[in-house]
Amino acid sequence: KQEVTQIPAALSVPEGENLVLNCSFTDSAIYNLQWFRQDPGKGLTSLLLIQSSQREQTSGRLNASLDKSSGRSTLYIAASQPGDSATYLCAVRRYSSYNTDKLIFGTGTRLQVFP
Amino acid sequence: NAGVTQTPKFQVLKTGQSMTLQCAQDMNHNSMYWYRQDPGMGLRLIYYSASEGTTDKGEVPNGYNVSRLNKREFSLRLESAAPSQTSVYFCASTPRSFNEKLFFGSGTQLSVL
Repeated sequence: KQEVTQIPAALSVPEGENLVLNCSFTDSAIYNLQWFRQDPGKGLTSLLLIQSSQREQTSGRLNASLDKSSGRSTLYIAASQPGDSATYLCAVRRYSSYNTDKLIFGTGTRLQVFP
Repeated sequence: NAGVTQTPKFQVLKTGQSMTLQCAQDMNHNSMYWYRQDPGMGLRLIYYSASEGTTDKGEVPNGYNVSRLNKREFSLRLESAAPSQTSVYFCASTPRSFNEKLFFGSGTQLSVL
């Protein structure tokens, strides 16, 4: 059974720091991994999608890496800003022998960036 | 461009009442999904619709029904609400499948007393 873990559950950093959020998954047979951002009381916004054949994806100050063999992904945020404060979730799409398609979500890391 | 729109944003029900959560997307996406989010449990898939006219169960379908009314709309119905269905419900869509980025609505906060 695929399980997705995100550690730490919460993180508080001063503005300007470079930081790394971690995502671990137990089954390396995945199609892709996606990082999301969720603001309080809002839906999720997809930040980056890494296909299983890729090692990393970049968007602005965000860089996500994927190491399938070790079951790990990291989201790197450069020069953090207070506006980056949110909960960050990762989700993996697993291979399935059934015609059921779904993502397995982690429970997220709640990030606070203070001025 | 509204994206994915969910109604209502908040709802309080008594045990045994029924209601329908509405979802519509204006991005011409084929696939639509209903999730619930509970503290400490992450998001779990309730039902999904890979394309207009098809629906399939997800991880936690019991107590729910869905209707893919047309390509734009995908509704979730609670026939007899239970306190265990207290949750935040999200609708999402993708152009074709889970191989693409998901677009989420802003959610419905549902409390069942």
